[in-house]
Amino acid sequence: EPEVTQTPSHQVTQMGQEVILRCVPISNHLYFYWYRQILGQKVEFLVSFYNNEISEKSEIFDDQFSVERPDGSNFTLKIRSTKLEDSAMYFCASSEGGGELFFGEGSRLTVL
Amino acid sequence: GQQLNQSPQSMFIQEGEDVSMNCTSSSIFNTWLWYKQDPGEGPVLLIALYKAGELTSNGRLTAQFGITRKDSFLNISASIPSDVGIYFCAGPPGANFGNEKLTFGTGTRLTIIP
Repeated sequence: EPEVTQTPSHQVTQMGQEVILRCVPISNHLYFYWYRQILGQKVEFLVSFYNNEISEKSEIFDDQFSVERPDGSNFTLKIRSTKLEDSAMYFCASSEGGGELFFGEGSRLTVL
Repeated sequence: GQQLNQSPQSMFIQEGEDVSMNCTSSSIFNTWLWYKQDPGEGPVLLIALYKAGELTSNGRLTAQFGITRKDSFLNISASIPSDVGIYFCAGPPGANFGNEKLTFGTGTRLTIIP
């Protein structure tokens, strides 16, 4: 069964460092997303991406965040200068556009 | 912003019992999704509901889209150990098909007592 894959599964970084989280969405999907879940809390929307551009972003997704689809298969989230409060699970998701999102297993980011 | 409140917050049940949880919103949703999340993993889609009043089953799971479009419930019959996890309702605000910025509920944590 097709699935969304994410790497790395866990990244530890120093505050102020840049981090890139990678995702391979399901191959025939057109809509891509990043969500975040701080430990013990609910899943929060960060950004949606369609047709090679951001379609919507939340207030969490400030200038420190960026997304890119560098080729036909990868979808990346970059955090330019990490802060302690960026520590969370980051989930990539994709959809065909019919309402159902499929999530990856997540990348745990720990900022020290 | 829109909020989805789930109840109960947590449940402790015995294996074999039926489970019922619900999700309410202050505003109308046109789609309701139910996800399950295991520790350290991503949400897995269980059931999607698209029409008010719709009742949909997926094995032992049954979910309904409330007529007011402001609520939904999820039932699990004859619970088994692998049902343990956190259940989230979610939905996109409005009829925003194609750009499913999902709002997630607060979650219901299900624990099965041996």
